Amino acid sequence: GAGVSQSPRYKVAKRGQDVALRCDPISGHVSLFWYQQALGQGPEFLTYFQNEAQLDKSGLPSDRFFAERPEGSVSTLKIQRTQQEDSAVYLCASSFGYAGNPFGEQYFGPGTRLTVT
Amino acid sequence: QQQVKQSPQSLIVQKGGISIINCAYENTAFDYFPWYQQFPGKGPALLIAIRPDVSEKKEGRFTISFNKSAKQFSLHIMDSQPGDSATYFCAASTSGSARQLTFGSGTQLTVLP
Repeated sequence: GAGVSQSPRYKVAKRGQDVALRCDPISGHVSLFWYQQALGQGPEFLTYFQNEAQLDKSGLPSDRFFAERPEGSVSTLKIQRTQQEDSAVYLCASSFGYAGNPFGEQYFGPGTRLTVT
Repeated sequence: QQQVKQSPQSLIVQKGGISIINCAYENTAFDYFPWYQQFPGKGPALLIAIRPDVSEKKEGRFTISFNKSAKQFSLHIMDSQPGDSATYFCAASTSGSARQLTFGSGTQLTVLP
């Protein structure tokens, strides 16, 4: 595809519901990142995949957050039992770079705006 | 812990003027310093990036100045245009784009016509 795509673009969930957010990275990009962006703030790192391996999940705020990338391309961020504090824009980024060749920019998708009511 | 501090929070500049945004970092392991531009409803887009082996990088109207000893870097937008009105984020990472970016808190730039 032409860029990183994310779906849905907007999601409204009632507190306690589970949600799944999808990211389609640029074809061939090895690295995939999830970030959380609160209103008026900079993005904050959640987790990182190199191909299908989740190498860093240190930014996930709780065990209600779970991410996967089973075939090394599409990734899903799942949030269980959503809380109001989970309301934010969730951004996905992909990059050609990886540990052995750390060059190439991170390309961001448009994000999914999650509102928990 | 905020590892990248960005200022000002907002900036208003007249068309044709120079916009200057500053960032300071704490982690001396950072070796990649990009600037991102974000329009409402869009994801951040890379504007320009620098590595610590150079003190300045210029691309068109955009220039990054980097001071390794002071652990500071700044973005200068020359001849600012209304179309430059957006939110700008500085960021930093170790080992280039293959690692997570740590972002500043953002600067909302408004360029008046």
